[in-house]
Amino acid sequence: DSGVTQTPKHLITATGQRVTLRCSPRSGDLSVYWYQQSLDQGLQFLIQYYNGEERAKGNILERFSAQQFPDLHSELNLSSLELGDSALYFCASSVGVAGDEQYFGPGTRLTVT
Amino acid sequence: GQQLNQSPQSMFIQEGEDVSMNCTSSSIFNTWLWYKQDPGEGPVLLIALYKAGELTSNGRLTAQFGITRKDSFLNISASIPSDVGIYFCAGNDYNTGKLIFGQGTTLQVKP
Repeated sequence: DSGVTQTPKHLITATGQRVTLRCSPRSGDLSVYWYQQSLDQGLQFLIQYYNGEERAKGNILERFSAQQFPDLHSELNLSSLELGDSALYFCASSVGVAGDEQYFGPGTRLTVT
Repeated sequence: GQQLNQSPQSMFIQEGEDVSMNCTSSSIFNTWLWYKQDPGEGPVLLIALYKAGELTSNGRLTAQFGITRKDSFLNISASIPSDVGIYFCAGNDYNTGKLIFGQGTTLQVKP
């Protein structure tokens, strides 16, 4: 158990809908990272927050957004969903801002039908 | 942009054999990390390397940070069935703060 929690574990929704994925980092970690992993694909970095502020952006679509709250939990919002958005979404956390030693949550499997 | 080439893409070995996989980068990294992912689960951090030339072990796993800072390898000795999974290397560039992942090595172990 990494100490990072993610909810929900599974999510099935229809195209055009909007969903919110939630992540709680390990106790003491200030950075939260979001990754997308499609079938047979590696881990694609989406976005990082550090202590409530956006720190780094990867290949995140404009339809996706995230935020980190004062209690350090984070939410990833996915809107106008398309079939191609079906994937595993992982949250990771680390102590500092530099991205080292990221600890991953169990993931949310999103299926868009 | 930065890219990591991880090889081999997949391996099918006999239980008890040693395994070696490596990653090379087009640019320098400050940190190399190795993760293992079981199907449907999140990646689990195995080893973190912070210094060029560093050799670190974690049980039957040994990893090294290449002298050029552009490569790293992971060895698994005396493989067992529970070693099955996908192994990812990842490099961190402090300038961007982003962790770049390799495409993964899928390991299968035959009992």
